[in-house]
Amino acid sequence: KQEVTQIPAALSVPEGENLVLNCSFTDSAIYNLQWFRQDPGKGLTSLLLIQSSQREQTSGRLNASLDKSSGRSTLYIAASQPGDSATYLCAVRANQAGTALIFGKGTTLSVSS
Amino acid sequence: SQTIHQWPATLVQPVGSPLSLECTVEGTSNPNLYWYRQAAGRGLQLLFYSVGIGQISSEVPQNLSASRPQDRQFILSSKKLLLSDSGFYLCAWTETGLEAFFGQGTRLTVV
Repeated sequence: KQEVTQIPAALSVPEGENLVLNCSFTDSAIYNLQWFRQDPGKGLTSLLLIQSSQREQTSGRLNASLDKSSGRSTLYIAASQPGDSATYLCAVRANQAGTALIFGKGTTLSVSS
Repeated sequence: SQTIHQWPATLVQPVGSPLSLECTVEGTSNPNLYWYRQAAGRGLQLLFYSVGIGQISSEVPQNLSASRPQDRQFILSSKKLLLSDSGFYLCAWTETGLEAFFGQGTRLTVV
């Protein structure tokens, strides 16, 4: 059974810092991996999608990498801002297109000004 | 462009009452649809998913049921709510194998 773990559970940094959020999964046979952001009381916003054949994806100040063989992904946030404060969730889809995403419990990020 | 609508945003229901949450997707056809629940301090738990009209897969045996009466409509129901049904319910959709998108969620409090 696939399990997804995110470390750390919470992170506080001053504005301007570069930071890395970690995600690991137990079954390397994934179809794709997706990073989401969730603001308090809100739904999930998709940040980046990495297909299993890809190594990384970039969007603005965000860069996500995928090492499928070792079961790891990282989300790199450059020059963090207070507006980046949110919970970041990692999710993987099994090696079948119709199956659902399996989520980690997230990392709650707080960026202070 | 595709959009997903989920309602209501908040709901307070007494124990033993019925439940109906609705989710609709616009701008796509034959999407895969999902219901997740997020309890306080816990991760997202997959409840149901559907790959087509009338096709429902249940991940966790429980007090809830789901239906897909139309291609882009997904409904979560209960005949009698329990206190343990409280949580944040999220609907999601994806085209096969591609990026998943979520609705804004329904905060359900069972009292």
